[in-house]
Amino acid sequence: NAGVTQTPKFQVLKTGQSMTLQCAQDMNHNSMYWYRQDPGMGLRLIYYSASEGTTDKGEVPNGYNVSRLNKREFSLRLESAAPSQTSVYFCASSEALLHGTEAFFGQGTRLTVV
Amino acid sequence: SQQGEEDPQALSIQEGENATMNCSYKTSINNLQWYRQNSGRGLVHLILIRSNEREKHSGRLRVTLDTSKKSSSLLITASRAADTASYFCATDARGSEKLVFGKGTKLTVNP
Repeated sequence: NAGVTQTPKFQVLKTGQSMTLQCAQDMNHNSMYWYRQDPGMGLRLIYYSASEGTTDKGEVPNGYNVSRLNKREFSLRLESAAPSQTSVYFCASSEALLHGTEAFFGQGTRLTVV
Repeated sequence: SQQGEEDPQALSIQEGENATMNCSYKTSINNLQWYRQNSGRGLVHLILIRSNEREKHSGRLRVTLDTSKKSSSLLITASRAADTASYFCATDARGSEKLVFGKGTKLTVNP
């Protein structure tokens, strides 16, 4: 079982470049999430999607856009990368938190912006 | 600001000892969850406790929840070197699918 798959695993960008982080889950989950993890900051929620066709801002949405392409896929786009966006990005999915279900995480994308 | 805050930030113990980590949160919640993260890896779910539950066990894990104090604790009994990891609490606010994490506790279990 693949679970939550993130691509790419590593990426180096120059300041001002754009890129899209891809995330796909094969568990038929309704909710999907994007987090960033920085040293000493834990995981901070960037955007989440409670269902196909809906997205909502999290704690740190500035500089990011998301697309819930279908039930399986939730992508995160950096339009103009900045060094402050250097981080490890995690995608997660959950059947529905309201039903008391756990979240499953991908292995992360390590992004460096120079 | 983040929903959950873990305490302590770092904890170092000897194998066989118990480890206790605490989490405080700010608003009414639906559920509280604990996750574990090995260095450089994704998070793995450990245990979920609902807002109407006070205590839950899973193997060597014991979680308590005090909604009046907006706090939870995770106890790992008879710790092992393999328990070395970072531990995070996560909460979903009542009526929301928004899952928010704390900053985590870094646990080191020395053999």
